[in-house]
Amino acid sequence: AQSVTQPDIHITVSEGASLELRCNYSYGATPYLFWYVQSPGQGLQLLLKYFSGDTLVQGIKGFEAEFKRSQSSFNLRKPSVHWSDAAEYFCAVAPKAAGNKLTFGGGTRVLVKP
Amino acid sequence: DTGVSQDPRHKITKRGQNVTFRCDPISEHNRLYWYRQTLGQGPEFLTYFQNEAQLEKSRLLSDRFSAERPKGSFSTLEIQRTEQGDSAMYLCASSLGITGELFFGEGSRLTVL
Repeated sequence: AQSVTQPDIHITVSEGASLELRCNYSYGATPYLFWYVQSPGQGLQLLLKYFSGDTLVQGIKGFEAEFKRSQSSFNLRKPSVHWSDAAEYFCAVAPKAAGNKLTFGGGTRVLVKP
Repeated sequence: DTGVSQDPRHKITKRGQNVTFRCDPISEHNRLYWYRQTLGQGPEFLTYFQNEAQLEKSRLLSDRFSAERPKGSFSTLEIQRTEQGDSAMYLCASSLGITGELFFGEGSRLTVL
């Protein structure tokens, strides 16, 4: 069965510092890969997705993610964090035959220090 | 607002009661998904529809749970004889096609006392 692991439950980062959130997946073949953000009281919002092609994917709000097949990883990065980036971030995978049936990781809560 | 809307946003009920949640997807979206999210966890897939057909149900969806999408528009998720373990956020999402972006609603939070 496919699974998604986000090793860091909480991350605290200073405003303006860089951020990297880790995601590892276990699946027989390369699935579709996603990062979502969930702010308090709001629905999940798609940050970016990887289907195929260039392994460095650009998303909204200045985020990017890099797919590394050899490490089964899809880490999310942002060069300079803003206070509004404080939220919970979820990595998700989906088999290519069922592109939107997502399996989510447990999430990483990001706190931003002024 | 033309996003995914869910109703009610919050529901408090006593154990053993039945509850129903409604989801109105984005109007042209043919796929509709239900997920459940408990505190501190990522969402878990429950079921999904393509138009009015329910194509898959997770093993998490016990026989106390039933979902419908009559006429391929809005969907309802009913939980019968609620248990405290049903307390969670129930999320609805919709997409256009198999690879279209999944848009989530804000969720319906259920508390079973």
